[in-house]
Amino acid sequence: NAGVTQTPKFQVLKTGQSMTLQCAQDMNHNSMYWYRQDPGMGLRLIYYSASEGTTDKGEVPNGYNVSRLNKREFSLRLESAAPSQTSVYFCASTRLAGGPQTQYFGPGTRLLVL
Amino acid sequence: TQLLEQSPQFLSIQEGENLTVYCNSSSVFSSLQWYRQEPGEGPVLLVTVVTGGEVKKLKRLTFQFGDARKDSSLHITAAQPGDTGLYLCAGGVLTNTGNQFYFGTGTSLTVIP
Repeated sequence: NAGVTQTPKFQVLKTGQSMTLQCAQDMNHNSMYWYRQDPGMGLRLIYYSASEGTTDKGEVPNGYNVSRLNKREFSLRLESAAPSQTSVYFCASTRLAGGPQTQYFGPGTRLLVL
Repeated sequence: TQLLEQSPQFLSIQEGENLTVYCNSSSVFSSLQWYRQEPGEGPVLLVTVVTGGEVKKLKRLTFQFGDARKDSSLHITAAQPGDTGLYLCAGGVLTNTGNQFYFGTGTSLTVIP
């Protein structure tokens, strides 16, 4: 099993460009999450999907949209990238939506917005 | 809003020393997790604690959840270079739409051989 995979690994965008970050898990997990990690800030939740067909906002959703394409895939879209969105983005999944679940993280996507 | 504060932010110690990392909040969490993150990789779960006052040991690592479920600590005995990494605590909040996890600011540990 590959676990959680993310593409691309690295990306450089110009301000105003759009892009979609892809995430897939092969563990048959129900819930998936998108975080961003900035120096000194830990990880902050952008959006999450408790189950297929549902999505909800996290702490920092502004400037992002998500799609839970199916049970395996959860994508994050930046419609008009801004320098403030320069960050490392992590996707994670958990088996269930409730309870003290283990989060399994992907390797991250490093995004630079110029 | 940063719900979880970790201290210290940076820690550099000699091999064999002991250390404690703290994770504090004014909020109550249904569970508290500790992760370790290596450069260029995603965080990996070390432990989950769910009961106030709970203590868990993982070899040389001891984790404690505060009685009020608002804070936690990670104690490492006889640190080794392999313990080097970023340690993150994460508090779980169960909502009617699922789990939300709030991460601490992180503690970057360097163990010098």
